[in-house]
Amino acid sequence: DAKTTQPNSMESNEEEPVHLPCNHSTISGTDYIHWYRQLPSQGPEYVIHGLTSNVNNRMASLAIAEDRKSSTLILHRATLRDAAVYYCILYFGNEKLTFGTGTRLTIIP
Amino acid sequence: NAGVTQTPKFQVLKTGQSMTLQCAQDMNHNSMYWYRQDPGMGLRLIYYSASEGTTDKGEVPNGYNVSRLNKREFSLRLESAAPSQTSVYFCASSDRGGVSPLHFGNGTRLTVT
Repeated sequence: DAKTTQPNSMESNEEEPVHLPCNHSTISGTDYIHWYRQLPSQGPEYVIHGLTSNVNNRMASLAIAEDRKSSTLILHRATLRDAAVYYCILYFGNEKLTFGTGTRLTIIP
Repeated sequence: NAGVTQTPKFQVLKTGQSMTLQCAQDMNHNSMYWYRQDPGMGLRLIYYSASEGTTDKGEVPNGYNVSRLNKREFSLRLESAAPSQTSVYFCASSDRGGVSPLHFGNGTRLTVT
């Protein structure tokens, strides 16, 4: 199964952009890249997903490298509410996916 | 539109007791999942159901059984609870497996003493 690698933690200042990296060097051509976040004491929340092209939605942007071996979740203007654990996962056909430990994002006021 | 609903929210069991965690979704999704999350850890897949009438094992299925009662409901049963099963359990659903987002419930916090 394809795996992802993320930094354990990151900090960012409030109202500044945040770039959360994810490496997935063993990705296959049909794996979708998903991002979820989990606020304290809540279930994971869908953020964004994509296959090959960069994607934007109201929450974030997803930048996918041309070779698809890495991707970056971009929060354009971080708020305190964005403090959470962010999970990058690969998802297609193989339902047996796990989330890993993710990146704990701290927002500094 | 409630999304994914899990019951109960909290449960305390003694070792050896049994219980069923309930999950229902109202989004007409085909796929449903059960995950567990231990403190400071990511989510691990216990069982999943790709469609009504089918179930399959995930990463950590030992000690659990599941039933996909109908398209809406997917239950998780602990036949003989053990302290190692103390965890937060999340149910999720998705429309088209890997190509659609997962929608999660708010979890069931289970303690086995």
